[in-house]
Amino acid sequence: SQQGEEDPQALSIQEGENATMNCSYKTSINNLQWYRQNSGRGLVHLILIRSNEREKHSGRLRVTLDTSKKSSSLLITASRAADTASYFCAANAGGTSYGKLTFGQGTILTVHP
Amino acid sequence: SAVISQKPSRDICQRGTSLTIQCQVDSQVTMMFWYRQQPGQSLTLIATANQGSEATYESGFVIDKFPISRPNLTFSTLTVSNMSPEDSSIYLCSVPGQGQLNEQFFGPGTRLTVL
Repeated sequence: SQQGEEDPQALSIQEGENATMNCSYKTSINNLQWYRQNSGRGLVHLILIRSNEREKHSGRLRVTLDTSKKSSSLLITASRAADTASYFCAANAGGTSYGKLTFGQGTILTVHP
Repeated sequence: SAVISQKPSRDICQRGTSLTIQCQVDSQVTMMFWYRQQPGQSLTLIATANQGSEATYESGFVIDKFPISRPNLTFSTLTVSNMSPEDSSIYLCSVPGQGQLNEQFFGPGTRLTVL
């Protein structure tokens, strides 16, 4: 079964608001990565958080990881219309699964100007 | 991050035909990965393309349907064989980054429509 389930499936907000997306996974991970996809194009790597990290920041992005709950969240602060995209979490188990990612179902974010 | 290109960017094919998708990376990488994204869905790993050995396929994917070549450390191809409309998807290749973080980077994808 697929790891990485995300909620909400769709999120609609106004420009300037914050957007929070959640991801859960089922097995142990080495790291968890977040990606953005615009209109069915290629994936843009946003941020990676390791299993021994609890929080990570990159610009307007904040990612948290709770390995005890097997969950992660992505917060986008002060959202912009250009943030409109699909966001995916992807879990990497490490070890013999090096490089292999198991993706969540994704959250479709719409930011209204 | 690695620069990854794919050809073609999109194609419309007839049922029963085959399409070969190319993936080129600007640096040498040991492993390359092929993913499929069906319409409105998330990404699923098809196989790992290993240089110098046969590709390793995930459950539900077989070599006869998705043959893979990996002639060198910067290039790989994925063929979608005997296509049916159910094969309509975006196909993406992926490589690990060069640093210590184990980031994975993706190509722009190939959007395939099978009629």
